[in-house]
Amino acid sequence: QKEVEQNSGPLSVPEGAIASLNCTYSDRGSQSFFWYRQYSGKSPELIMFIYSNGDKEDGRFTAQLNKASQYVSLLIRDSQPSDSATYLCAAITPFGNEKLTFGTGTRLTIIP
Amino acid sequence: NAGVTQTPKFQVLKTGQSMTLQCAQDMNHNSMYWYRQDPGMGLRLIYYSASEGTTDKGEVPNGYNVSRLNKREFSLRLESAAPSQTSVYFCASSDDRGVYEQYFGPGTRLTVT
Repeated sequence: QKEVEQNSGPLSVPEGAIASLNCTYSDRGSQSFFWYRQYSGKSPELIMFIYSNGDKEDGRFTAQLNKASQYVSLLIRDSQPSDSATYLCAAITPFGNEKLTFGTGTRLTIIP
Repeated sequence: NAGVTQTPKFQVLKTGQSMTLQCAQDMNHNSMYWYRQDPGMGLRLIYYSASEGTTDKGEVPNGYNVSRLNKREFSLRLESAAPSQTSVYFCASSDDRGVYEQYFGPGTRLTVT
């Protein structure tokens, strides 16, 4: 079982709707979680991180963390065509020498 | 600030040739990383360096060597390239004073024929 799992998609969402991206992790010791956006042919770009249970909002993006269920999600409100990209979820475990474990990513397409 | 820079952007090698991928960061980060990204496999850690003078193996270190030249620079060397090393290589750095979020360079697309 991979330590961080994501649905590979592709996920298609109409423009203006809410896109919901999900991630589960297997290591209960994981404490901080990251969402990266990667456009085709480009490098991963950090969108948000979260380490407390609950929601964290930044503009159109909301990260949600549920440590009891070992579940992290990213909501994108008012989806725009420019949000079309692959979204990578990553987790870090303390005392793991700062290593991030990445999921394989979910490809999101926003349909105009 | 340039952030994390990598050279070259593209490279084609023949099997058995060697090369060094260069990475530099200007964010005064202690930790630096080398990843490879292959379709369907996600990002896999090759080597990392938690501080100047230290390096450790990641998930897929075979066929690679690294050097942490100073705090800014972290290079990745392929001594004898193989077609299985065809991939996109990313360098990243992180600040150990925060939540260890990593920032990535633009990548090197390597093809080994």
